[in-house]
Amino acid sequence: DTAVSQTPKYLVTQMGNDKSIKCEQNLGHDTMYWYKQDSKKFLKIMFSYNNKELIINETVPNRFSPKSPDKAHLNLHINSLELGDSAVYFCASSVRGYTDTQYFGPGTRLTVL
Amino acid sequence: AQSVTQLGSHVSVSEGALVLLRCNYSSSVPPYLFWYVQYPNQGLQLLLKYTSAATLVKGINGFEAEFKKSETSFHLTKPSAHMSDAAEYFCAVSVKKSNDMRFGAGTRLTVKP
Repeated sequence: DTAVSQTPKYLVTQMGNDKSIKCEQNLGHDTMYWYKQDSKKFLKIMFSYNNKELIINETVPNRFSPKSPDKAHLNLHINSLELGDSAVYFCASSVRGYTDTQYFGPGTRLTVL
Repeated sequence: AQSVTQLGSHVSVSEGALVLLRCNYSSSVPPYLFWYVQYPNQGLQLLLKYTSAATLVKGINGFEAEFKKSETSFHLTKPSAHMSDAAEYFCAVSVKKSNDMRFGAGTRLTVKP
């Protein structure tokens, strides 16, 4: 029973394309997050959603947009992909907020050619 | 804003030796401190967290960390390293009513036979 799942695991695409990454959690948590991990393993928060409300957007280009159809899902849409978007993207969830333990998905490795 | 600094991007120990991974934090209010572990090609998993209940925190897999306010430190230790401990370790900080979690740059632990 996977707590936080992401699809796809790998995504290879051309510059300029639009792509989506899906995330689902079955933990009943209220808050979900998207992180970007670059090639040097540095982790940066991109978005968090609490009860369908966007809480924070950390200097992320507006080409990135989170979509939450319900509390258990937080999908990431990326328009007009650029080379610099290549990274591993992690979805996570927590009971309430940032002071709670976060449970991470396995990651999606995005490669933009 | 709060921040953490991990000293040493790479630590190498022999199997059976003491593991010490260093983390210093900066926060103007009481922090919530976390250690996460990332095994190759996987998401992050919580090792332990400090929430002001006790300064010595015990986590999974024999790891523990001590919160030292006077030194603004939250170093991670394990008395005896196992080969299976080889991974990337991240220190992270958040504070109450914050919409942010800041991760350190990570420390890669190598365990030699």
